[in-house]
Amino acid sequence: QKEVEQDPGPLSVPEGAIVSLNCTYSNSAFQYFMWYRQYSRKGPELLMYTYSSGNKEDGRFTAQVDKSSKYISLFIRDSQPSDSATYLCAMSGYYGNNRLAFGKGNQVVVIP
Amino acid sequence: DTEVTQTPKHLVMGMTNKKSLKCEQHMGHRAMYWYKQKAKKPPELMFVYSYEKLSINESVPSRFSPECPNSSLLNLHLHALQPEDSALYLCASSQQDSLNQPQHFGDGTRLSIL
Repeated sequence: QKEVEQDPGPLSVPEGAIVSLNCTYSNSAFQYFMWYRQYSRKGPELLMYTYSSGNKEDGRFTAQVDKSSKYISLFIRDSQPSDSATYLCAMSGYYGNNRLAFGKGNQVVVIP
Repeated sequence: DTEVTQTPKHLVMGMTNKKSLKCEQHMGHRAMYWYKQKAKKPPELMFVYSYEKLSINESVPSRFSPECPNSSLLNLHLHALQPEDSALYLCASSQQDSLNQPQHFGDGTRLSIL
């Protein structure tokens, strides 16, 4: 079983909708959880960085971590065409250092 | 613009060429990383430098040779590459190579091997 599962299926939503993305993981040793946004032909940009279970908000973005279920989510409210990108979940701590385990990434398209 | 700067943005080279990729950060970070990313895949770790010393080599072929001249610079020297090495090469940095240190990526060098 892969360490981090993220359904890579493309997601198309109308502008203004809520985008919901999630990842599951198999090993409870993961401690830190990240969401990166990657535009085409650019590098991954760190969006959210969380440690504890619960919610973390930053503007239109909310990251949710449920360590008991080994499940993390990213919600984007009032989605904009500029949110069209690939979203990668990543987590660290399993190896006792800063190695990142990535999900496959979700391509999101926000239609005007 | 990211705080991790990579040059060149694009590179086309033949299989017999020698070239170098450069990465620079001025955030005072002491850990720097090279990743390889193929289309529609997540980044794959290649090398980790911690305090200018190579700490991780993820079984990368010797045609890739990393170098860390100082705490702000990271190079990746390329020689005799294969067509399958065509990819986006990403550099990242973090405060240290330890837990609770998020990694920040540059925009990468898009490498094409003819």
